[in-house]
Amino acid sequence: EIVLTQSPGTLSLSPGERATLSCRASQTVSSSNLAWYQQKPGQAPRLLIYGASSRATGIPDRFSGSGSGTDFTLTISRLEPEDFEVYHCQQYGSLPLTFGGGTKVEIK
Amino acid sequence: EVQLVESGGGLVQPGGSLRLSCAASAFTFSHYWMGWVRQAPGKGLEWVAHIKQEGSEKYYVDSVKGRFTISRDNANKSLYMQMSSLRVEDTGVYHCTRVRCTSTSCYGFLYFDYWGQGALVTVSS
Repeated sequence: EIVLTQSPGTLSLSPGERATLSCRASQTVSSSNLAWYQQKPGQAPRLLIYGASSRATGIPDRFSGSGSGTDFTLTISRLEPEDFEVYHCQQYGSLPLTFGGGTKVEIK
Repeated sequence: EVQLVESGGGLVQPGGSLRLSCAASAFTFSHYWMGWVRQAPGKGLEWVAHIKQEGSEKYYVDSVKGRFTISRDNANKSLYMQMSSLRVEDTGVYHCTRVRCTSTSCYGFLYFDYWGQGALVTVSS
């Protein structure tokens, strides 16, 4: 089973700042099969990024994904008020599919 | 707009059973693999199961094998999860998801492009 470790657990930033979220895998994730999701409290998660760097439909270009192998990054170039939520990464290179523990981006 | 609406959650005693349903709309349901992902209180997301378009292939996380059964009704655009021998650790919000496969087999190469808000399942005595 591939274990995903997200860091930091909580990121405190101000609107307009740049956010850098990390997702590290315990084994190589094949073919950059990594996705990122945003989740608001009590709501359905929303797909942001798939294939490590491809933005999903309707996702603003301030969201970008990068990385390969075992180290992946989600970057939000300029935080908007609606971006202060929880972010999850997911690998889909092998079963069981696994998710990271999440990173909460909060207003400083 | 794609919509997935879960129902059937509730409080059940350990060892009991529950059936979750998911009603899909605004897309051709029969064309997609579908799945369930759960989230225990204060924890991260956990993949539970997914099912092929016509139901001929199903995959489960080890912790629910033999206890949970995923199924679908394409005519009624519905996804189901029959849960039995429920345990306290099965407590959580269960999200219905639409699956996107990145290979022909979809065995493990998939992510989730649409999610429902979820149904809360509480297993407690």
